[in-house]
Amino acid sequence: QQQVKQSPQSLIVQKGGISIINCAYENTAFDYFPWYQQFPGKGPALLIAIRPDVSEKKEGRFTISFNKSAKQFSLHIMDSQPGDSATYFCAASMNSGGYQKVTFGTGTKLQVIP
Amino acid sequence: NAGVTQTPKFQVLKTGQSMTLQCAQDMNHNSMYWYRQDPGMGLRLIYYSASEGTTDKGEVPNGYNVSRLNKREFSLRLESAAPSQTSVYFCASSEQVAGGGYGYTFGSGTRLTVV
Repeated sequence: QQQVKQSPQSLIVQKGGISIINCAYENTAFDYFPWYQQFPGKGPALLIAIRPDVSEKKEGRFTISFNKSAKQFSLHIMDSQPGDSATYFCAASMNSGGYQKVTFGTGTKLQVIP
Repeated sequence: NAGVTQTPKFQVLKTGQSMTLQCAQDMNHNSMYWYRQDPGMGLRLIYYSASEGTTDKGEVPNGYNVSRLNKREFSLRLESAAPSQTSVYFCASSEQVAGGGYGYTFGSGTRLTVV
């Protein structure tokens, strides 16, 4: 059962444009929603995260929008740059028996073209 | 640099061979994890260790075993490799971050091919 659905699978954006990646979750017990960025040949790295009591979080050009009632959240990359080309994973986590159980989306491969 | 170190980076095995993937972290994190990454399937949890001395199965544990050797080290063993275990394996550790959630630090991965 896939508990976090991510779309689109791939995305091509022109330099300077806005990249938008969407995720939806099912389990209302999730209480932390991070996004990870992965470059080829590297492990994922934590990019930005949000808790469900906040509707938006912004860090530089990266913004998470969170809609608790719709159980959806999205990543917006403003003024997209070729260096942003990577695979992005959304995730949802909750405390489960003393550890943080994290469920990842299937990833979005972003290509920013000059 | 501080972080999660995985060895080896690449490995080719024949069906039926065994091997151990090594992972060490120097951030004093309590929890450690092993994930596999396959195209179109994201990251799937194989095993985790919430703290030193404990290990538990994740989503896809069949064909794997783990050992939490000490707080720093968490190894993954394939006893009899199968082609279905061809994948990229990531080790991670976690800590509580600002805002109350837990951020993962991943290693750079082991690319395993079973022929």
